[in-house]
Amino acid sequence: GPKVLQIPSHQIIDMGQMVTLNCDPVSNHLYFYWYKQILGQQMEFLVNFYNGKVMEKSKLFKDQFSVERPDGSYFTLKIQPTALEDSAVYFCASSLEGLGGRYEQYFGPGTRLTVL
Amino acid sequence: AQKVTQTQTSISVMEKTTVTMDCVYETQDSSYFLFWYKQTASGEIVFLIRQDSYKKENATVGHYSLNFQKPKSSIGLIITATQIEDSAVYFCAMRDRGSALGRLHFGAGTQLIVIP
Repeated sequence: GPKVLQIPSHQIIDMGQMVTLNCDPVSNHLYFYWYKQILGQQMEFLVNFYNGKVMEKSKLFKDQFSVERPDGSYFTLKIQPTALEDSAVYFCASSLEGLGGRYEQYFGPGTRLTVL
Repeated sequence: AQKVTQTQTSISVMEKTTVTMDCVYETQDSSYFLFWYKQTASGEIVFLIRQDSYKKENATVGHYSLNFQKPKSSIGLIITATQIEDSAVYFCAMRDRGSALGRLHFGAGTQLIVIP
């Protein structure tokens, strides 16, 4: 099926540092998402993004988080500064259509973020 | 509020048998979309199958099928002729039309172990 790529697969950083997680969504998809999964738990929605704008975000999407996709390049999640509780696996997803909800989201392999 | 519940934390079955995984959901919306995803041991999340709430017919894709019981707010996943490679964690997810641009609500997951 369609492939979403994420770079890096694993990132270890010190608390307080900035980190950028990169996502290469499916080429013709228009809607982009980030989800967070703490080890052994269910995935939780963070944010969705369309046409250069954040459309919806959850309470997990703290002020230290930001997303962008400059000029159709990577869809990024930036955390600045990081905190210990940000340690998790972050999954990027993309879909062809978001509104109406019919089109399934395709997920990347995740980036495991470890904050020390 | 939307909620997805998977009560089975782990199921073990013999290879080549049929297994059913349960999922119940809560939503205020009359129209919604239900999905099943599989997370492999490597962490990869794979879309399996979708059910649109307005469709009465149960969705089927390959050896995956759904048991959609709308009055019970239930969407069970049935895997026939299980294979070793079906061993994974299976997540049920829901998206309703009220969710702007496709926010998914996930259940906690059911770990399936297929025994040779």
